[in-house]
Amino acid sequence: GNSVTQMEGPVTLSEEAFLTINCTYTATGYPSLFWYVQYPGEGLQLLLKATKADDKGSNKGFEATYRKETTSFHLEKGSVQVSDSAVYFCALSEPGKLIFGQGTTLQVKP
Amino acid sequence: GAVVSQHPSWVICKSGTSVKIECRSLDFQATTMFWYRQFPKQSLMLMATSNEGSKATYEQGVEKDKFLINHASLTLSTLTVTSAHPEDSSFYICSARGGTSGTAYNEQFFGPGTRLTVL
Repeated sequence: GNSVTQMEGPVTLSEEAFLTINCTYTATGYPSLFWYVQYPGEGLQLLLKATKADDKGSNKGFEATYRKETTSFHLEKGSVQVSDSAVYFCALSEPGKLIFGQGTTLQVKP
Repeated sequence: GAVVSQHPSWVICKSGTSVKIECRSLDFQATTMFWYRQFPKQSLMLMATSNEGSKATYEQGVEKDKFLINHASLTLSTLTVTSAHPEDSSFYICSARGGTSGTAYNEQFFGPGTRLTVL
């Protein structure tokens, strides 16, 4: 079946560092891909999405490009802030539902 | 944006008792609601999908008689954990998806989750 694999965390960075969180997927067909963020004590929020190959999703300085050839959707940000500390989930869509990766915790230190 | 609430945010109960968790869409009509379970440092596992007014569809391996789901209105779904045991302790998260139009159309909005601890 379809699945999503994320890099293990926690990822610890200093403020203004460059961020990459790797995400690869296995799927039949061409699913939509998503990044969700979960801040402490809150529910998941959609961060960005891409619906077809070579699409780039972006929001709040975060970007991810749908790479069909490498089945990847890596999340990047050029300069992280302390307020970006959260758990990040990569996900893909199946008909009627989402399949999530295991989540990657990001800790940004001042 | 669309808001989903859950109640309670945390609950502690004794083994053998039943616990009900509510999920509400506050500013949109949710034609479909989803219930997930999240273990520490693990992904969200979809338990079941429910459409308003019909029976829930459970994922393989999820006991429907243990995890009762009711989606009686377009803004409320409930998950009841019956005869809870310590292994049912987990973080339960709901999400809601809107209908044919509007902000919530075809996108899942997540609640903040409910922490269940069974003693």
